[in-house]
Amino acid sequence: GENVEQHPSTLSVQEGDSAVIKCTYSDSASNYFPWYKQELGKGPQLIIDIRSNVGEKKDQRIAVTLNKTAKHFSLHITETQPEDSAVYFCAASTNKLTFGGGTRVLVKP
Amino acid sequence: DAGVIQSPRHEVTEMGQEVTLRCKPISGHNSLFWYRQTMMRGLELLIYFNNNVPIDDSGMPEDRFSAKMPNASFSTLKIQPSEPRDSAVYFCASSLGQGKAEAFFGQGTRLTVV
Repeated sequence: GENVEQHPSTLSVQEGDSAVIKCTYSDSASNYFPWYKQELGKGPQLIIDIRSNVGEKKDQRIAVTLNKTAKHFSLHITETQPEDSAVYFCAASTNKLTFGGGTRVLVKP
Repeated sequence: DAGVIQSPRHEVTEMGQEVTLRCKPISGHNSLFWYRQTMMRGLELLIYFNNNVPIDDSGMPEDRFSAKMPNASFSTLKIQPSEPRDSAVYFCASSLGQGKAEAFFGQGTRLTVV
């Protein structure tokens, strides 16, 4: 089955700096790659996703890149703000989502 | 729509007791997923349904776990008998199109087995 590795497990950045989270996946058949944000006491919520026919996607301060050859994808958050502090999960999917282990992001004011 | 609704939000039970977790997916969604979240193992997919039919239950840890989806608007996850190692947050999610579209998660049920 699919295996998704996510790094780093924790990330501390100064407000205004950029944050980058990286994931690798094992199943070359995976074709959908969403990113979720989870705040304390809540369920994960989709923030951005990318499909295998696209190499990059951007939504305001958030961007994702996908390298299908290398089987890795990344999340970039620019101009970080304290409200970006949360746990972020990457996932890879054919018919079911397999999640990475999560990255706890702390944005220091 | 109110989103995915799970109940109860919190459950504390004694080892050996039966536990039933409930989920109401978003109306119109045809796929439903049950996940378990722990510090050690992260977010694990337990089972998912498509059009009320179980498609993949390979993540169900043991025979003590069972899930049903009797209709498009309701699903249950049952643990019988419960054990302390089942303590976790259980999430239900629904989507259109199995795992190829946004999955909307409920607030989760925090289960504690003592």
